[in-house]
Amino acid sequence: AQTVTQSQPEMSVQEAETVTLSCTYDTSESDYYLFWYKQPPSRQMILVIRQEAYKQQNATENRFSVNFQKAAKSFSLKISDSQLGDAAMYFCAYRLPSYSGAGSYQLTFGKGTKLSVIP
Amino acid sequence: DGGITQSPKYLFRKEGQNVTLSCEQNLNHDAMYWYRQDPGQGLRLIYYSQIVNDFQKGDIAEGYSVSREKKESFPLTVTSAQKNPTAFYLCASFGVNTEAFFGQGTRLTVV
Repeated sequence: AQTVTQSQPEMSVQEAETVTLSCTYDTSESDYYLFWYKQPPSRQMILVIRQEAYKQQNATENRFSVNFQKAAKSFSLKISDSQLGDAAMYFCAYRLPSYSGAGSYQLTFGKGTKLSVIP
Repeated sequence: DGGITQSPKYLFRKEGQNVTLSCEQNLNHDAMYWYRQDPGQGLRLIYYSQIVNDFQKGDIAEGYSVSREKKESFPLTVTSAQKNPTAFYLCASFGVNTEAFFGQGTRLTVV
């Protein structure tokens, strides 16, 4: 079974600084998707960034980028120029491609990292 | 606009009562999922459905039931057998090889 581990229950960062959130996962598959979701106090789950395992290039979305290390099964999220609005729970998640059949839509989540931004 | 809608936002349940949480999507997604979130915890899978008239138990299905009579709808019933139902419930839908789209959640409290 796939597992996702976020080893940092809480992190803090000064406004305008850079922070990196860690995520490791365990899978025997070679093709899969990885995601980072943000859950602000409103509790709405918001997609931050996604990565396809077959792509070697790390995904980026504005101030958010990932360091995807497939061999190490590591998928860290870097937030640059941190803003007060970045304060939230961040969840790392994994899923298989749809062609994998039954259960392929299932999203496996880590337990989350609570990020605080200090003004 | 396409999206996924959960209702109600807040729900109160008396002891021994069944309650139903609504989840509707107009994204034409086949797969729909229900998750439970407890304070300081990640998301745990309750039930999921990958096609109409079919659904599967997740990791914590005891005390819950679902139906999938229409592609757009996947309601979750929290039965009296669920002894600790106070939690935040999230519904999600999935397209082919896309990320999950989430509703805004329902906060269920036992009174």
